Amino acid sequence: DQQVKQNSPSLSVQEGRISILNCDYTNSMFDYFLWYKKYPAEGPTFLISISSIKDKNEDGRFTVFLNKSAKHLSLHIVPSQPGDSAVYFCAAGFQGAQKLVFGQGTRLTINP
Amino acid sequence: NAGVTQTPKFQVLKTGQSMTLQCAQDMNHNSMYWYRQDPGMGLRLIYYSASEGTTDKGEVPNGYNVSRLNKREFSLRLESAAPSQTSVYFCASSGGFAGELFFGEGSRLTVL
Repeated sequence: DQQVKQNSPSLSVQEGRISILNCDYTNSMFDYFLWYKKYPAEGPTFLISISSIKDKNEDGRFTVFLNKSAKHLSLHIVPSQPGDSAVYFCAAGFQGAQKLVFGQGTRLTINP
Repeated sequence: NAGVTQTPKFQVLKTGQSMTLQCAQDMNHNSMYWYRQDPGMGLRLIYYSASEGTTDKGEVPNGYNVSRLNKREFSLRLESAAPSQTSVYFCASSGGFAGELFFGEGSRLTVL
């Protein structure tokens, strides 16, 4: 059973517009959520995180929103740039624990 | 600054052959991880090591063994490779709990 799901395998957005990537989870005990970005032939790199005590966290063009009642988080990228084209993974875990559970990934393509 | 280094980057094996993937980190991190990435499945944890001298199973440990050789190095061994183990393998490390992982570039393994 997939505890963390990204239901959109791909997303195409025009440069300058907003990109919204979505992620759902089933385990209500998760208390820490992260987004990773992956370029081809490279390892994933950490992008942004959020604790379950918050519902929003911003870092420059990237904002993560957490809706605990819906068990849903989203990543907003504004404005989208060509360099944002990559695969984005959401992940969930427990603070103080060692393991993360990753979603399947969403391939974001930013069109000029 | 090397970060997390994996070797080899590419390997082709025949069914039944054995091999070891090597991983080293130079960030003085306590925790190290091995993930595999398959299309549509995201990143799945194979094994992890919370600290030198300890190892624990992740989601998909069958067919693999690991060794935490010292604080820097964490190897993944396939004793008898199977086609189902064809995948891209990522080693990662973290300094504290598994919030922010630092990944290597990946090792692409094909089992014929």
